[in-house]
Amino acid sequence: RKEVEQDPGPFNVPEGATVAFNCTYSNSASQSFFWYRQDCRKEPKLLMSVYSSGNEDGRFTAQLNRASQYISLLIRDSKLSDSATYLCVVPRRRGSTLGRLYFGRGTQLTVWP
Amino acid sequence: DAGVIQSPRHEVTEMGQEVTLRCKPISGHDYLFWYRQTMMRGLELLIYFNNNVPIDDSGMPEDRFSAKMPNASFSTLKIQPSEPRDSAVYFCASSLGGLAGGGQFFGPGTRLTVL
Repeated sequence: RKEVEQDPGPFNVPEGATVAFNCTYSNSASQSFFWYRQDCRKEPKLLMSVYSSGNEDGRFTAQLNRASQYISLLIRDSKLSDSATYLCVVPRRRGSTLGRLYFGRGTQLTVWP
Repeated sequence: DAGVIQSPRHEVTEMGQEVTLRCKPISGHDYLFWYRQTMMRGLELLIYFNNNVPIDDSGMPEDRFSAKMPNASFSTLKIQPSEPRDSAVYFCASSLGGLAGGGQFFGPGTRLTVL
């Protein structure tokens, strides 16, 4: 089983829609998670961190379900500028220090007018 | 802050040539990461350093790849000899305090094409 698996998409939604992406992880010991955003031909940029049950930042909500080992990202009132690829990231620790980061393949979102 | 700086931004070379990619992390960051991104494999971690010391290089594909970090403000990723299958976007990223500092900051990437 892969460390991180994501909905492959693509998701095509109209402006104003609500859209949700899911991500599952295999390492039950993971304590923190991240969502990154990557625009076409650009570098990934941190969108949100998820350390407990969830996190909300404006129109974006990230939720964590440890029992089922999945993370979700909800975008409300979609904007054209939300069009991008969203990457789910799961770290694996090495003892008390940072271990490897595992990136999902990403979910492509296109918001149309 | 200028962010993570990478050079060159684009590199086109012929098979068998040596390629050197450069990275300057954000000042004060103690972790530096090298990633490779392709359509087929997505984003892969190649190696990362903590306080200039390589911690995990298990993602380095083979002996043709090597990375160094001679000081806190500079790192290189070298491919010798290069092969067409090395064509990809190579990202450098840095962070402060590992996970405690939150996520990583990526540079703009080097788009490598090996003919």
